[in-house]
Amino acid sequence: SAVISQKPSRDICQRGTSLTIQCQVDSQVTMMFWYRQQPGQSLTLIATANQGSEATYESGFVIDKFPISRPNLTFSTLTVSNMSPEDSSIYLCSGGTSGGHEQFFGPGTRLTVL
Amino acid sequence: QKEVEQNSGPLSVPEGAIASLNCTYSDRGSQSFFWYRQYSGKSPELIMSIYSNGDKEDGRFTAQLNKASQYVSLLIRDSQPSDSATYLCAVLGGGFKTIFGAGTRLFVKA
Repeated sequence: SAVISQKPSRDICQRGTSLTIQCQVDSQVTMMFWYRQQPGQSLTLIATANQGSEATYESGFVIDKFPISRPNLTFSTLTVSNMSPEDSSIYLCSGGTSGGHEQFFGPGTRLTVL
Repeated sequence: QKEVEQNSGPLSVPEGAIASLNCTYSDRGSQSFFWYRQYSGKSPELIMSIYSNGDKEDGRFTAQLNKASQYVSLLIRDSQPSDSATYLCAVLGGGFKTIFGAGTRLFVKA
């Protein structure tokens, strides 16, 4: 299984600012994903991070709001831009093996926007 | 819209009992199925994957898959208080997108 780290683990940010979350995996996973999880809710896929190209976004998520980079196989960043209190959530990255079948999650970033 | 449905619970079982968690999915073409455990305040952790009809056992956990009926279940034998968590059913659909259910909260009473 892959070991995945994220930073920061938590942050409190002001409305209108941006936060970049970093995700590092310890092995060459096939795919990397970014999710959002509201308290008591399930996971919502934001996008699939593609190495060296634009991420593939899910309905309701756009690149201007959630720019994603993946410069190599083991590293990705998610930026939450122009934040509002509605962006307060836990953001999780995951690494998928064997075509993304099994996923291993980072510890998450708990974001609070005031 | 492709969906994965779970009973939100909470499901409460006494220590030592069998906990049975169920999940149904709508995409008949799905081929890969997973159970994740998520402790409060932690990220999901993969505990079982199953790809073929029938049962798959791993220690105290048994995953069951019935593609004709489009359901997946997870049995936890000899339940322990440490098994208290939310269990997420996940289904791999087209485009390698995994769809997660809302999760079932399990409480194991000592």
